[in-house]
Amino acid sequence: AQKVTQAQTEISVVEKEDVTLDCVYETRDTTYYLFWYKQPPSGELVFLIRRNSFDEQNEISGRYSWNFQKSTSSFNFTITASQVVDSAVYFCALSEAGSGNTPLVFGKGTRLSVIA
Amino acid sequence: EAQVTQNPRYLITVTGKKLTVTCSQNMNHEYMSWYRQDPGLGLRQIYYSMNVEVTDKGDVPEGYKVSRKEKRNFPLILESPSPNQTSLYFCASSLRQGNPYEQYFGPGTRLTVT
Repeated sequence: AQKVTQAQTEISVVEKEDVTLDCVYETRDTTYYLFWYKQPPSGELVFLIRRNSFDEQNEISGRYSWNFQKSTSSFNFTITASQVVDSAVYFCALSEAGSGNTPLVFGKGTRLSVIA
Repeated sequence: EAQVTQNPRYLITVTGKKLTVTCSQNMNHEYMSWYRQDPGLGLRQIYYSMNVEVTDKGDVPEGYKVSRKEKRNFPLILESPSPNQTSLYFCASSLRQGNPYEQYFGPGTRLTVT
């Protein structure tokens, strides 16, 4: 069965600090996709990134970076030089490849508070 | 603009009063689904639809119904809402089921059942 664990329920940092959000997943499939979503206080879900299981290259997008390590089943997300606007709940999610229903399985989320 | 819309965005209702949350997408997507989000639980899939007239249960379907009579619409029906259905609901759609088709989420509907 699929499972996503975000062990950090809440994190609080001071602006300009770097912060890493952890994500550990479980799946029996060899082909799967990992996602990160941001949910700001307004409530909508904002797509951040999708990675497939065959691409372990780390990705950087501005202040955001992602570290995918299959050996430890982790897909961690780092925000460099955090800003107040980064305050949100962040969800990691997993979707297995397949011909049937392939829902997103979400972690419980990590609430990030960036203090000015 | 490509989007998934949901209505209403906010709803407060009483136990037992039937309600429908509408979901519509303008991208000609085949696959649509409903999720609910609860504190400490993340998002969980309620129902999904592979195409018109094809629907099936997700992980938490109890107390909900859906229909898919048209490709663009996928309403969520609560025949007799109860307080444990108080939640934030998201509709999502993608071109087809499976990956690498990205799922697009609606803005969410915050439902309170008293």
